Amino acid sequence: TQLLEQSPQFLSIQEGENLTVYCNSSSVFSSLQWYRQEPGEGPVLLVTVVTGGEVKKLKRLTFQFGDARKDSSLHITAAQPGDTGLYLCAGVKTSGSRLTFGEGTQLTVNP
Amino acid sequence: EAQVTQNPRYLITVTGKKLTVTCSQNMNHEYMSWYRQDPGLGLRQIYYSMNVEVTDKGDVPEGYKVSRKEKRNFPLILESPSPNQTSLYFCASSLRIPGLAGGSYEQYFGPGTRLTVT
Repeated sequence: TQLLEQSPQFLSIQEGENLTVYCNSSSVFSSLQWYRQEPGEGPVLLVTVVTGGEVKKLKRLTFQFGDARKDSSLHITAAQPGDTGLYLCAGVKTSGSRLTFGEGTQLTVNP
Repeated sequence: EAQVTQNPRYLITVTGKKLTVTCSQNMNHEYMSWYRQDPGLGLRQIYYSMNVEVTDKGDVPEGYKVSRKEKRNFPLILESPSPNQTSLYFCASSLRIPGLAGGSYEQYFGPGTRLTVT
C-alpha cells in the first residue's frame, strides 16, 4: 500500500481544459512537494507546501495543502501541451526525515 | 553548472555480474539518495545518506549496497543483479535533510540510469 496515493493515475485532456490531480494519505505530513517529470529526465521540483490550508500559485498551476496536512491537490487552468508529463507528489511525515513519493499522475494534453 | 551526474545512462547486463552505478553532485549537498522507478509504483527509495559515512535503508534496499566515503559521491552497487532489478534508477541530492526545520530539501535528480538484467 502506497503511503501517498495519487489520483487519477492517467489523465488525457484537450488543450484549454482545466484539471485537478489529488494526493492523499492517512498520515500527517510536515510538508508536501510536487514534482514534474518529462520523458528521459529526472523529476523537477514545482513547489513545496508546509502549512495546513496553504495555497500556492505558479502561473496556471495552483497547489493546495489540506488543513489536516494529509492531502494535497494540484489544479491546472487552461492546460497546454507543454504541461504534459508525470506529476509526482512527495512528502515528509511529521518527525521523519525520509521523502516518500506517490505513484504519479501521467498527464497528456492534446493540441 | 550545478548538477547531479549518473553513469552509465544505459546498462544491459546478465544475472549475477556485479555492477556499480556512480552518482556525483557538485552542490555540496548533505543528503543523497537512490530511487528506482517502475511503472505504476512511482519512485521508491532504495538507500539514503544524511552525510559522509552515514547511510540507511529506504523502502526497497534488498539486493543493493551503497557507500558515502566522500560528500559528493554516492555509488549504488548491485553485487549479484537479478532480473527483478531491471528498472530506471535515479540518484538525487538535497542541500539539507528532509524534515529538518528551516532547511531546503528540494531534491535535485540525476538524468537516470536504465538498467536491464537478463
